[in-house]
Amino acid sequence: AQSVTQLDSQVPVFEEAPVELRCNYSSSVSVYLFWYVQYPNQGLQLLLKYLSGSTLVESINGFEAEFNKSQTSFHLRKPSVHISDTAEYFCAVRRFTGGGNKLTFGTGTQLKVEL
Amino acid sequence: DTGVSQDPRHKITKRGQNVTFRCDPISEHNRLYWYRQTLGQGPEFLTYFQNEAQLEKSRLLSDRFSAERPKGSFSTLEIQRTEQGDSAMYLCASSLDVREGGYTFGSGTRLTVV
Repeated sequence: AQSVTQLDSQVPVFEEAPVELRCNYSSSVSVYLFWYVQYPNQGLQLLLKYLSGSTLVESINGFEAEFNKSQTSFHLRKPSVHISDTAEYFCAVRRFTGGGNKLTFGTGTQLKVEL
Repeated sequence: DTGVSQDPRHKITKRGQNVTFRCDPISEHNRLYWYRQTLGQGPEFLTYFQNEAQLEKSRLLSDRFSAERPKGSFSTLEIQRTEQGDSAMYLCASSLDVREGGYTFGSGTRLTVV
């Protein structure tokens, strides 16, 4: 079985400051890693994913995440946040094979960007 | 294609009533998933279909819950004899049946049982 831990339930940050949202996972098999973002009253949107290759992956809106296999982490970072980044962020894992492509999610981190 | 559609967006029901939700996936996606999200938690897997076959059900899906995807297109999730603990956001997602297939989520149906 897989599990995902997001230790920070809320992260307040001022606009234009850097931010890091932490994600650690546990799995007995190889997994793919994902970050999803959820804006109020909306479904989840894929922010970025790690499938293979370079351990640093980037999104189109300035977020990046680095897969660290030895630390079983996939932390999300942005060097300068904007008010519009205020949302809930979920880290998720999925097995390489089998499991029907099911995602296992963390409990989420609420990012609140303040002026 | 307008993405994954869920109907209704909100449902308020009295305890003990039955409710049914509908999900219309992206047309070329052969996999369809149902998740449940409660306040302060991440989405939890309930069940998934490949085409019309229901391939896995979570132990969260008690016998009061039933899901169908009769023609491999839209899906319904029915909850019988609703309880207050069923109050949650019910999310539907669809994907292609490929290893790198990413999910597309709908906006969800928020159920409130009073």
